[in-house]
Amino acid sequence: EVQLVQSGAEVKKPGESLKISCKGSGYRFSTSWIGWVRQMPGKGLEWMGIIYPGDSDTKYSPSFQGQVTISADESINTAYLQWSSLKASDTAMYYCARRPAVTGTFDSWGQGTLVTVSS
Amino acid sequence: DIQMTQSPSTLSASVGDRVTITCRASQSISSWLAWYQQKPGKAPKLLIYQASSLESGVPSRFSGSGSETEFPLTINSLQPDDFATYYCQQYNSYPWTFGQGTKVEIK
Repeated sequence: EVQLVQSGAEVKKPGESLKISCKGSGYRFSTSWIGWVRQMPGKGLEWMGIIYPGDSDTKYSPSFQGQVTISADESINTAYLQWSSLKASDTAMYYCARRPAVTGTFDSWGQGTLVTVSS
Repeated sequence: DIQMTQSPSTLSASVGDRVTITCRASQSISSWLAWYQQKPGKAPKLLIYQASSLESGVPSRFSGSGSETEFPLTINSLQPDDFATYYCQQYNSYPWTFGQGTKVEIK
C-alpha cells in the first residue's frame, strides 16, 4: 500500500526557519515525482512545486519560487519543504502528494502538515 | 500560467440528484485534467485523471469528460458521502494549477 506520512504540526514565529517532511513507503520512491500543495485556511488548493527524487529535478510555481525550497533524500524515501524566513502569510496546511507515471497526476496524498506562523 | 475556472462555486443538491460541475481552462490542455474530492479536515482524493479515467476504487457514479478547454464532472445519483468540495487541476504544463473549487451542499 502506497503511503505518504508527513511530519507533525508546527508553530513558529515570523522570521524563523522550518523544514517539513514527507516519507513515502509501499512503492519505489526514486521513480515517482513528489509534489507540494498549499491550502490556506478556508481556501483552495495551490500547487507549489514538484521534485523527482531520482535526480532531484525540481519545478516550482512562479508564486513560490524563491520563497520555499523543495528537496528529497532518496536514501531515506523522504521529501522536504523548507522556508528560511517564515511569514505570517505562510500559515496554512501543506500536503505532499505522489505523481506516478500511470495517472500522470497526484494519486496519493499525505495527511497534511499544519504550519502556524504567529508572533 | 493556465487559469482553471470552475462553475458553479457552490451547488445545492439532494440525495439521488444528478449533478454536473464544469471546469474551463484558459487555453487548451488536451486531456490533462484531473478531478479531486476533498472533505473538511482531510487530504484531497483523486477521482478522475486524464479527463475521463476513473481512479481505482472510485464509484462508477462519478464520470468525467471533455477535452481542450471544457471539462464536466458528473455525479449520477448523489450519495450522502458525496457532499464535499471538488477541485479540477490541469497537468498539461508547469505550473500545474487548480480550479477554485466547487462545494456540493445538501439542499
